[in-house]
Amino acid sequence: GEDVEQSLFLSVREGDSSVINCTYTDSSSTYLYWYKQEPGAGLQLLTYIFSNMDMKQDQRLTVLLNKKDKHLSLRIADTQTGDSAIYFCAVGTGGGNKLTFGTGTQLKVEL
Amino acid sequence: EAGVAQSPRYKIIEKRQSVAFWCNPISGHATLYWYQQILGQGPKLLIQFQNNGVVDDSQLPKDRFSAERLKGVDSTLKIQPAKLEDSAVYLCASSPSPTVLYNEQFFGPGTRLTVL
Repeated sequence: GEDVEQSLFLSVREGDSSVINCTYTDSSSTYLYWYKQEPGAGLQLLTYIFSNMDMKQDQRLTVLLNKKDKHLSLRIADTQTGDSAIYFCAVGTGGGNKLTFGTGTQLKVEL
Repeated sequence: EAGVAQSPRYKIIEKRQSVAFWCNPISGHATLYWYQQILGQGPKLLIQFQNNGVVDDSQLPKDRFSAERLKGVDSTLKIQPAKLEDSAVYLCASSPSPTVLYNEQFFGPGTRLTVL
């Protein structure tokens, strides 16, 4: 089955850029997603990218996809304390309906 | 638009007891998902419904877990009997239509289950 890996923890200073990385194994993935989870809350979709794209920019968020290396990254520009949360990479297969989530990266933003 | 509703938010039971969780998806959403999220891990799909039919339950431990969506709207997930390793957050999600390639899933706040 699909395997999705992320680093567990990232710490940055407020105002810096954050880069969260994700690797996956299934090359038949259609859409790839980034979700944010704050304590005690469900998952919130931040952004997504279709598998035939290399890059997508959405305000402070930039998603890069390297299909050859099966590598996905999320860059958050001008990181704020409100960005502190766990970020999950998710890979969609089966027409995009079945999501396989990574282990999550906890982002801590320090003043 | 109201989001996905789940209840209860928290539940503590002893092992071998039974427990049930309820989910009300966003109105009009055809597809409903139940995920299990163990502490420190990403959500894992347990079961997916399309209207009131099961699309995928390959990762549902069917000896103890059951789920239903009788009228194609709200859904219940039951565990009977519970084991210690069932301690997790159970997330419900819904999405509008499986016929489009991009099909965003909207998540509820989850039910945190602790099995003692």
